[in-house]
Amino acid sequence: KAGVTQTPRYLIKTRGQQVTLSCSPISGHRSVSWYQQTPGQGLQFLFEYFSETQRNKGNFPGRFSGRQFSNSRSEMNVSTLELGDSALYLCASSYSRTSGGPETQYFGPGTRLLVL
Amino acid sequence: KQEVTQIPAALSVPEGENLVLNCSFTDSAIYNLQWFRQDPGKGLTSLLLIQSSQREQTSGRLNASLDKSSGRSTLYIAASQPGDSATYLCAVKSGANNLFFGTGTRLTVIP
Repeated sequence: KAGVTQTPRYLIKTRGQQVTLSCSPISGHRSVSWYQQTPGQGLQFLFEYFSETQRNKGNFPGRFSGRQFSNSRSEMNVSTLELGDSALYLCASSYSRTSGGPETQYFGPGTRLLVL
Repeated sequence: KQEVTQIPAALSVPEGENLVLNCSFTDSAIYNLQWFRQDPGKGLTSLLLIQSSQREQTSGRLNASLDKSSGRSTLYIAASQPGDSATYLCAVKSGANNLFFGTGTRLTVIP
């Protein structure tokens, strides 16, 4: 089985712009979660989508949004970019049918975003 | 809210030494605990996953233990090698379907 893929791998944007990141989960996985990793805050949970619905959300401002398509692929959007949004954005997929449970999350390689 | 702490933040050891990395968490109601490795600028590589009903897991030179009641896990690396140099992260899954990560231990194995 192919792993979790993320595109693009690298992005450079300027303040005020918006950006869209994409994540394709492992075939058969319907849950997709997004995480942000920064040197100062570490790895933090952004949100989770399951069957095209946001099922869980972390503590991030409304500039961060996402969606999931019927094929389980997910996109994450950040509007009005700030310098502090520079980070590695990681996507993870799992087979979880319920919100909570022991299923493993499998991570993609990440998208590194630099905001100038 | 679940909080995960890893000690030490950084560790340097000579090649061949055995070492232990520590992880503690505040809420013992977890589904599982996972250890990851992250190389600089890269994504996460899953090393070991321990379900809440298990006490330990082993893979090659790695052994992870879990003591849910005390909120602790350790990752034991035997006979360390320079290729083990990386940041090691522990993460717990509790509540909804998301992971709570520690801040990591940066390991350097000196040849």
